[in-house]
Amino acid sequence: DAGVIQSPRHEVTEMGQEVTLRCKPISGHDYLFWYRQTMMRGLELLIYFNNNVPIDDSGMPEDRFSAKMPNASFSTLKIQPSEPRDSAVYFCASRRDRNTETQYFGPGTRLLVL
Amino acid sequence: DQQVKQNSPSLSVQEGRISILNCDYTNSMFDYFLWYKKYPAEGPTFLISISSIKDKNEDGRFTVFLNKSAKHLSLHIVPSQPGDSAVYFCAASEETSYDKVIFGPGTSLSVIP
Repeated sequence: DAGVIQSPRHEVTEMGQEVTLRCKPISGHDYLFWYRQTMMRGLELLIYFNNNVPIDDSGMPEDRFSAKMPNASFSTLKIQPSEPRDSAVYFCASRRDRNTETQYFGPGTRLLVL
Repeated sequence: DQQVKQNSPSLSVQEGRISILNCDYTNSMFDYFLWYKKYPAEGPTFLISISSIKDKNEDGRFTVFLNKSAKHLSLHIVPSQPGDSAVYFCAASEETSYDKVIFGPGTSLSVIP
């Protein structure tokens, strides 16, 4: 299995631009999580999906952030408009089912907003 | 307010010696704890976990100890190897729901050959 795939690996953009991060979870996994890692706040959960349905988005910082999961093999995290304080590493993770605790993380997308 | 704390941002240990990484939590509802390991430019990978019904779990060179009354857990690596150099995240959740896992800020371990 290829593991969780994220693209792009690096993104540099200017303030005000739209940014879209992409994730392909491990096949057969029911859960998908989006995390953000910053020096100040560490690794924080933004939103997670179960069977493509958003379950909890309380970690999404602002309305500028949105996430979708149109099917079991694809999810996007969009920031519009982006701001310099959004600069961070964004991780996607997937988990097989509700009875397993292990999350499998992708390599992350390093976002820099100038 | 951090619910999972790792008060040592970094730790250096000689190869072959024991590494002890500490973690404290504040939420008494947490009853399941995990350690993840992260290399640069990679995502975190699961290392070991422990349920609150146990006070110790061992997997090869890695042992996690849990002290519920003190709300404290530790990860022991014996013997430490240079390949163990990474950032270690302590994480916690309620066993009724593994969904919302709260991560600590991480401890960067350097194992010196």
